[in-house]
Amino acid sequence: EPEVTQTPSHQVTQMGQEVILRCVPISNHLYFYWYRQILGQKVEFLVSFYNNEISEKSEIFDDQFSVERPDGSNFTLKIRSTKLEDSAMYFCASSEAVDTEAFFGQGTRLTVV
Amino acid sequence: KQEVTQIPAALSVPEGENLVLNCSFTDSAIYNLQWFRQDPGKGLTSLLLIQSSQREQTSGRLNASLDKSSGRSTLYIAASQPGDSATYLCAVHNTDKLIFGTGTRLQVFP
Repeated sequence: EPEVTQTPSHQVTQMGQEVILRCVPISNHLYFYWYRQILGQKVEFLVSFYNNEISEKSEIFDDQFSVERPDGSNFTLKIRSTKLEDSAMYFCASSEAVDTEAFFGQGTRLTVV
Repeated sequence: KQEVTQIPAALSVPEGENLVLNCSFTDSAIYNLQWFRQDPGKGLTSLLLIQSSQREQTSGRLNASLDKSSGRSTLYIAASQPGDSATYLCAVHNTDKLIFGTGTRLQVFP
């Protein structure tokens, strides 16, 4: 069964460092998303991406965040200068269309020290 | 601004019980509503998707209903099992994003 794959599963980084979280969405999907979940809190929307551009972003997704689809299969989230409060589980998701079922990856646990 | 609320926050039941989890949302202009399961420290597993035009959706022992006009959805789990223990999240699909509730943490004991 097709699935969304995320790497790495866990990343520890020092405050101020850049990190890149990677995702391989399901191959025939056209919409891609990043969400995050701070420990003990709700899953929060960060950004949606369609047709090689951002279609919607939240207030959380400020200038330190960026997304890219560098080739036909990968979808990445870059955090330029990490802060302690960026520590969270980051989930990638994809869907065939804007109103169809979204499938999530297993997440990358980011720990900023 | 869309807000999604789930009650109860936690539920502990003996094996075999039928149970209902509730989800409410403030803005009825949604594409669909999706129920997820999350095991501790893990990803989100999609359980059921109900389109805004549908009233009900079933998958095995799970049945989800949607009343868009009143902003409510319920997830019914029949004959609960210890393996059903997890956090259940509902999320409404609004424009290009899902907005999640806080979840119901379910424990089913033998």
